[in-house]
Amino acid sequence: GAGVSQSPRYKVAKRGQDVALRCDPISGHVSLFWYQQALGQGPEFLTYFQNEAQLDKSGLPSDRFFAERPEGSVSTLKIQRTQQEDSAVYLCASSITGNYGYTFGSGTRLTVV
Amino acid sequence: AQTVTQSQPEMSVQEAETVTLSCTYDTSENNYYLFWYKQPPSRQMILVIRQEAYKQQNATENRFSVNFQKAAKSFSLKISDSQLGDTAMYFCAFMTPYNNNDMRFGAGTRLTVKP
Repeated sequence: GAGVSQSPRYKVAKRGQDVALRCDPISGHVSLFWYQQALGQGPEFLTYFQNEAQLDKSGLPSDRFFAERPEGSVSTLKIQRTQQEDSAVYLCASSITGNYGYTFGSGTRLTVV
Repeated sequence: AQTVTQSQPEMSVQEAETVTLSCTYDTSENNYYLFWYKQPPSRQMILVIRQEAYKQQNATENRFSVNFQKAAKSFSLKISDSQLGDTAMYFCAFMTPYNNNDMRFGAGTRLTVKP
C-alpha cells in the first residue's frame, strides 16, 4: 500500500482482556518496528522484525506482550490480560533501511478500563 | 546508552514568524543520524528533516532547517514563515547506523502556531 496501515484506530478493553493490534507495512519494506507512546511522551521502542524474524524484542515490557510477523509482511502485536498501564498509543513503522528514517502508521490508541 | 533531550515542553509562535526548537543528545558514537518528526493530532509521525552526523552542512527542507552542532551534541530545528498547519508535536530522534533497529526519541515539544 501507499503507507503504513494500522487497525483498529481505537480500542477500548476491559482490564484482563486480550487485544490484538494489526500493522500492514509498506510493500517491500523489510524492517518493521513497534513503538509504545504514553500520553505526552515520545515513542518507546518495543520490538523489531527483519522480514519474518524478530531480531529484537528487548523493549517489550512484560511477557504479556507478544508480536509476530509470520509471512514477513503484516504484523500483529498481542497484549494478554491487559492492565491499565498498557493504555497508550501503539505505533508501527516500516523501512527499507532505517538510515533514511522510518514511515509510521497513525497508531492504535488503546484504553484499558 | 544514547539519550535525546528536548527541554521545551511547549512553544508558540505567531503565524509567519520563525521559531527554533531545541534538541540535545548524548552518545559516544562518531557516526549517527538525527531526525525531526512532526506528529499532528492525526497521530501519524511525519519525517520533517534528516541529518547525517558526518556531513558538516546543515540539512534544509523548504521552510525547515537545522542547526547541527556536533561538538555540542545539539540539533535544533528552525521553522521559518510558520503556518497554522505546523501546529503539532515535534520529536527529535537519534539512530546509529550500526543499530538501526533502535531509533531513540525525545519527549517532544508541542508547537502552537497562532493566527
